Amino acid sequence: GQNIDQPTEMTATEGAIVQINCTYQTSGFNGLFWYQQHAGEAPTFLSYNVLDGLEEKGRFSSFLSRSKGYSYLLLKELQMKDSASYLCAVPTSGNTGKLIFGQGTTLQVKP
Amino acid sequence: DADVTQTPRNRITKTGKRIMLECSQTKGHDRMYWYRQDPGLGLRLIYYSFDVKDINKGEISDGYSVSRQAQAKFSLSLESAIPNQTALYFCATSDTGPGEQFFGPGTRLTVL
Repeated sequence: GQNIDQPTEMTATEGAIVQINCTYQTSGFNGLFWYQQHAGEAPTFLSYNVLDGLEEKGRFSSFLSRSKGYSYLLLKELQMKDSASYLCAVPTSGNTGKLIFGQGTTLQVKP
Repeated sequence: DADVTQTPRNRITKTGKRIMLECSQTKGHDRMYWYRQDPGLGLRLIYYSFDVKDINKGEISDGYSVSRQAQAKFSLSLESAIPNQTALYFCATSDTGPGEQFFGPGTRLTVL
């Protein structure tokens, strides 16, 4: 089966760095997605990792270790607008396009 | 204009009523999905469709039905709404392969 674990909540200070972890178990691996979701709004795509290592996009970076079933999202120079839920998701096995989502990590950025 | 749209955006209905949520997309994607989101439970897949003739149940399809009227339109129906179907519903689309999904703005449904 497939399973995804993320911390439920995190708090960080404006200007700081925060790392949001995600561990997954999947029968076949086709990459890992991170989405951002502000309260009451649609999830929006942040990153997609299919190979091991760190990928950087501005203030946001995403890391993947396939052997450890582990990923993290790194947010630098936190801003108040980064307060949101961050969802980790993996495709199901086969070419279905379906995603299995973790429950999401709600990040609160404080002044 | 938004690529994925949903109507209505908010709906309050009573137990036992039939209700339809609609989704339209201009991205030209073949694959479309319906999710519900509940606090603490994340996004759960209700139904998905690979094209007009290919519709599949997701993990929580009981109490729901869908219709794929065209490549661009995918509707979700609750035949007889019940209070535990109160949730935020999202439609999403994707291209072929294990790719990014694009979400609509969501429909907040309340069943009294």
